[in-house]
Amino acid sequence: DIQMTQSPSSLSASVGDRVTITCRASQSISSYLNWYQQKPGKAPKLLIYAASSLQSGVPSRFSGSGSGTDFTLTISSLQPEDFATYYCQQSYSTPVFTFGPGTKVDIK
Amino acid sequence: QVQLVESGGGLVKPGGSLRLSCAASGFTFSDYYMSWIRQAPGKGLEWVSYISSSSSYTNYADSVKGRFTISRDNAKNSLYLQMNSLRAEDTAVYYCARGEVLLDAFDIWGQGTMVTVSS
Repeated sequence: DIQMTQSPSSLSASVGDRVTITCRASQSISSYLNWYQQKPGKAPKLLIYAASSLQSGVPSRFSGSGSGTDFTLTISSLQPEDFATYYCQQSYSTPVFTFGPGTKVDIK
Repeated sequence: QVQLVESGGGLVKPGGSLRLSCAASGFTFSDYYMSWIRQAPGKGLEWVSYISSSSSYTNYADSVKGRFTISRDNAKNSLYLQMNSLRAEDTAVYYCARGEVLLDAFDIWGQGTMVTVSS
């Protein structure tokens, strides 16, 4: 099974900061990597699919990169509404899916 | 609008059963694969089960294999999860999610339904 790890597990940042979250797969998953944002008490929301494609309606300050085993999610200028938990998810082994453990972004 | 609404959660004793439902609206349900994904209190997301658009293929996480059964009724725009032999570790919010083949991602999620397994 493909395992996903994320770093850091949490981070504190200020509004306007550039934030980078890393996701690593236990084997190559090409570009089959998605990113989700989840706020407390809410369902996850798709941000990035296929490693670097921005989902419709998602602000352009979010971007994704990477392929193979190493991926990053970048928020270019953190906004108040971006404080949330972010999960990566691999779809390389569809119909078996794996999520990363999450990265919580909170206010410094 | 495009929407998924789960129902059927609740409190059940260990060893008991529960059936979750997910009602889809605002899109052609039969065009999409679907999954159930759960989140234990204070924990991360765990994929539980998958069903293809025509129900021809299903798959399960090892943690629920043999105990849970996913199904769908495309005529009723509905997804189901039959959960048997429930354990305390099955306690979680259960989300249904739409799988978009072109994106290879879950692009629409329901609001979730809470399942608590406790004596």
